Amino acid sequence: ILNVEQSPQSLHVQEGDSTNFTCSFPSSNFYALHWYRWETAKSPEALFVMTLNGDEKKKGQISATLNTKEGYSYLYIKGSQPEDSATYLCASPTGSARQLTFGSGTQLTVLP
Amino acid sequence: DAGVIQSPRHEVTEMGQEVTLRCKPISGHNSLFWYRQTMMRGLELLIYFNNNVPIDDSGMPEDRFSAKMPNASFSTLKIQPSEPRDSAVYFCASSFGTSSDTQYFGPGTRLTVL
Repeated sequence: ILNVEQSPQSLHVQEGDSTNFTCSFPSSNFYALHWYRWETAKSPEALFVMTLNGDEKKKGQISATLNTKEGYSYLYIKGSQPEDSATYLCASPTGSARQLTFGSGTQLTVLP
Repeated sequence: DAGVIQSPRHEVTEMGQEVTLRCKPISGHNSLFWYRQTMMRGLELLIYFNNNVPIDDSGMPEDRFSAKMPNASFSTLKIQPSEPRDSAVYFCASSFGTSSDTQYFGPGTRLTVL
C-alpha cells in the first residue's frame, strides 16, 4: 500500500443497522492514523488519532481499531442513526514532511 | 476559542481576476494547512506551514497559486489569475504541533470562477 485507501466508497444502511468500513495505509514507517467525520456543507471534524498497534478508540456508538503491522484500520458504527450520515475520512502522515495524506472517504447514508 | 476562521465564506469572481483567501488559525497552533476540495480529487493538500515557514508546497497546482504566512495568526492563499478550473472549496486547517497531529478545519471558502 503506497497511499491511504478507503473502502467502500459509499454505503447505504437502514437506521439501527451496525456498519463498518476500512482504511488501508502504508505500514512501513507508521506514525499515526486519523479518522475524521465530514458532514455535508461543513468541515471535517476529528474523531480519533491512533498510534499503537491494537489500539481501540470509542466515542459514543463509533469505535475504531488499528493494525499497524498489516496497515489497516476499521471504523465501526453501532446502531446507525440518520445523523451519522457523513463522509468518514482516514488520514496518515506520509512523505518526507509527514504531512497528513487523506483517503477519499467512505460516504455513509443512514436511511430512516 | 473561535476555531479556525476563514474569509470570505463565498467568493464569485471572473476569470482572470485575482482572488485572495484568508485564514486565521487557532491561537497557539504551530502548523497551518491549505487544502482544496473538488469532486474529482477529493481533499488535496496544497501547502503546509510550520512556525510560519512553508514546509511542503508540492501540492500547489502552478505558479498562479501562492501562499504566505506573515505571522502566526494569519495566512493568505492567492490565485492570480484565476481560472474556472480553480472553482472549489478551499479549507484552511491548523494543528498544535507537527503535520501528523490532529488538524482543526475552518469552515472553508467556496470559490466560483466564472
